[in-house]
Amino acid sequence: EDQVTQSPEALRLQEGESSSLNCSYTVSGLRGLFWYRQDPGKGPEFLFTLYSAGEEKEKERLKATLTKKESFLHITAPKPEDSATYLCAVPLTNDYKLSFGAGTTVTVRA
Amino acid sequence: DAMVIQNPRYQVTQFGKPVTLSCSQTLNHNVMYWYQQKSSQAPKLLFHYYDKDFNNEADTPDNFQSRRPNTSFCFLDIRSPGLGDAAMYLCATSNRQVSGHGSYEQYFGPGTRLTVT
Repeated sequence: EDQVTQSPEALRLQEGESSSLNCSYTVSGLRGLFWYRQDPGKGPEFLFTLYSAGEEKEKERLKATLTKKESFLHITAPKPEDSATYLCAVPLTNDYKLSFGAGTTVTVRA
Repeated sequence: DAMVIQNPRYQVTQFGKPVTLSCSQTLNHNVMYWYQQKSSQAPKLLFHYYDKDFNNEADTPDNFQSRRPNTSFCFLDIRSPGLGDAAMYLCATSNRQVSGHGSYEQYFGPGTRLTVT
């Protein structure tokens, strides 16, 4: 069964304290893994697509990496404005609908 | 900028009073999705349109309906809202190619927060 699991559920960081979020997946024939950022009361904002193991994408303080079984979202020297829920998603096997993880809520304190 | 627009951003309705949420897009994508998202949960797919073809999820209540009059617009109708339907409703789009290939990213609108009193 296709499944996406994110950990931890919540992450509290001090400003400047780097950390990583994990997204593990079980799907046959990965056709992309997507990371989204969601601020409270808003829709998810697309961040990255990763297609193959070893691939990396960067945007400001965020870097996403992919292996055959999981993806990591690294937050380097976070700032309070990086506080949000980060969602990962993958297309279902033989389908174009997405399976979402439950998200990791990141809080960065000044 | 190309985008997905949802109106209204906040909607209050009474128990049992029909309500319609709207979504429009300027991305010219051929697939439009409606999701329901409750607090601290992942978005839950209700249904989607691939061009004019409607696809309902098996566990979407009959109380929820959708219309897509043209490529740019899609509506979510809740015929008799209950207290359990209070949630954030998200519209998303993607571009699916006939071959089944192409990117699978979905682009979301800002959402409509529905309150049922």
